[in-house]
Amino acid sequence: DVKVTQSSRYLVKRTGEKVFLECVQDMDHENMFWYRQDPGLGLRLIYFSYDVKMKEKGDIPEGYSVSREKKERFSLILESASTNQTSMYLCASRPSGGGEQYFGPGTRLTVT
Amino acid sequence: GEDVEQSLFLSVREGDSSVINCTYTDSSSTYLYWYKQEPGAGLQLLTYIFSNMDMKQDQRLTVLLNKKDKHLSLRIADTQTGDSAIYFCADLSGGSYIPTFGRGTSLIVHP
Repeated sequence: DVKVTQSSRYLVKRTGEKVFLECVQDMDHENMFWYRQDPGLGLRLIYFSYDVKMKEKGDIPEGYSVSREKKERFSLILESASTNQTSMYLCASRPSGGGEQYFGPGTRLTVT
Repeated sequence: GEDVEQSLFLSVREGDSSVINCTYTDSSSTYLYWYKQEPGAGLQLLTYIFSNMDMKQDQRLTVLLNKKDKHLSLRIADTQTGDSAIYFCADLSGGSYIPTFGRGTSLIVHP
């Protein structure tokens, strides 16, 4: 019954490393999203994609990039990880017309 | 811009009903969602309601929507300790890709 999966639950990286976070959904959804969640700041949208190879910046895109080469997979890339990118990262997907939006289990990233 | 407001905390006794409230500002909202987040986990979709409905019931969960007042509520009947979590409401406007999330209500269930 798994719908949205993320490549890692926990990840520890060093400052300056390139980090890839992968998200896969099996519901044939057009829209996919990357959020980060920090205490006291709620959910903040980093990037979203409304279709394959299409991407739009969210509220906090600085320091991140994304890739959507296939419909089911949406990758978040930290080009050069920094300590202020330590956070919980959440991926989500939804059909293009609205309706059910599902989240993955999250990746807790620590940058040291 | 759009805004979604929730109270931060709610404390209830096990077996009582819980009512979590949410207000939103966007009059063109089409879908309204309730999510549950347990510690260290992602957001679990509990239920959602289309804006032309005023009520939806699913087992112990009842969602009420008052479009005139832009008020959404989630009632959990017979609240259990396993219901302790953070509950988020969100709304999606017509023609938008991006839902707006509230900050979450932390539900504490005590014996």
